Amino acid sequence: SYELTQPPSVSVSPGQTARITCSGDALAKTYAYWYQQKSGQAPVLVIYDDSKRPSGIPERFSGSSSGTMATLTISGAQVEDEADYYCYSTDSTGNHRVFGGGTKLTVL
Amino acid sequence: QVQLQESGPGLVKPSETLSLTCTVSGGSISSNYWSWIRQSPGKGLEWIGYIYYSGSTNYNPSLKSRVTISVHTSKNQFSQFSLKLSSVTAADTAVYYCAREYSSSWGYWYFDLWGRGTLVTVSS
Repeated sequence: SYELTQPPSVSVSPGQTARITCSGDALAKTYAYWYQQKSGQAPVLVIYDDSKRPSGIPERFSGSSSGTMATLTISGAQVEDEADYYCYSTDSTGNHRVFGGGTKLTVL
Repeated sequence: QVQLQESGPGLVKPSETLSLTCTVSGGSISSNYWSWIRQSPGKGLEWIGYIYYSGSTNYNPSLKSRVTISVHTSKNQFSQFSLKLSSVTAADTAVYYCAREYSSSWGYWYFDLWGRGTLVTVSS
């Protein structure tokens, strides 16, 4: 089965840049999407198609992808950015949806 | 504005069938994929499966033998799709989300709208 691999945790101080990676073989052929999930809430899309930002998402959120790795970057992380972040993609057939294991971002 | 709302029993006994419904309000169920996703306590997100408005389905291989997703269209403003998960165990205890899938300009589908989720506990 297809898997996406993320680091379990990332920690930064306020104002620093946080980078969360996601690796998976199919990322070389498909796009990566990133979701932010705060405690007790449903996930919210913060990046789609590798690097596009939905309306309403702050400019400090950006995404990139190269080969089999995608990266979510939060430039000047704020305390309110503390959350779990999940990468998402499909397998190479496009039929199956897959989430990464999630990364807990701590900003303090 | 389209909204999704999950509903169903919050407690299911082991070996029984979990049944949930997602009500779609404020918009049509047509031209989209509709998915169920779950999250066990303290764990990550797991895609369960999707249904297209026409009725075609696709399921997570790890759950395929126990999952059925159906769509129920309506002539009024509400449409629904449902999840049935059979032979449940404590490992199926999770928050279950329904979500709408949207196609990007490149033809890849992703979740752009989520329900608030509903906790289902499997216990005798």
